[in-house]
Amino acid sequence: AQKVTQAQTEISVVEKEDVTLDCVYETRDTTYYLFWYKQPPSGELVFLIRRNSFDEQNEISGRYSWNFQKSTSSFNFTITASQVVDSAVYFCALSGNNAGNMLTFGGGTRLMVKP
Amino acid sequence: EADIYQTPRYLVIGTGKKITLECSQTMGHDKMYWYQQDPGMELHLIHYSYGVNSTEKGDLSSESTVSRIRTEHFPLTLESARPSHTSQYLCASSEFTPTGRGNYGYTFGSGTRLTVV
Repeated sequence: AQKVTQAQTEISVVEKEDVTLDCVYETRDTTYYLFWYKQPPSGELVFLIRRNSFDEQNEISGRYSWNFQKSTSSFNFTITASQVVDSAVYFCALSGNNAGNMLTFGGGTRLMVKP
Repeated sequence: EADIYQTPRYLVIGTGKKITLECSQTMGHDKMYWYQQDPGMELHLIHYSYGVNSTEKGDLSSESTVSRIRTEHFPLTLESARPSHTSQYLCASSEFTPTGRGNYGYTFGSGTRLTVV
């Protein structure tokens, strides 16, 4: 069984602040895949990043960065200099190395960026 | 440009009606999924398919049914809608590759927001 926990249900920041969204996962698979998605109010899921378990390099993409720590089973997401357009619900997700490759989602973190 | 299409985008329907939510993808992916999501809440897998003529139930029990007669089409049906079915339904497909950092994996549709009154 696999599980994803996003302990922060809601975060509120003021524009230009940095914010980190936490994600902790559990899996028995030795090979697995981690994802972050953004869900704006319109409801669609926007892919942000995929990380393979055998690739522990951290990644930066513009104002976004991800910190993958296998030792603590965490895959945290940081937004630098947040903007109002970053307001959304963010989901962390995990796919094990199973035949169906089903995604297990965390409960999501609602980020509100105030001007 | 979407590669996976869900219709309708919004649906308000009366209790007891039969409804089918459509999902089609043009990528030739074998694996397809249906997720149910209450507003602002976690997504739960309700159905998935490995390919044509394959359907499986997901983690969350659902009164809906699915079919997979063609690779590109994975409709979800509710025989008798109830207010408890009010939710957003997201369809996805995947063609998983073990390496790479792109979204080689899941493509999600825009979702159907269902309201049963």
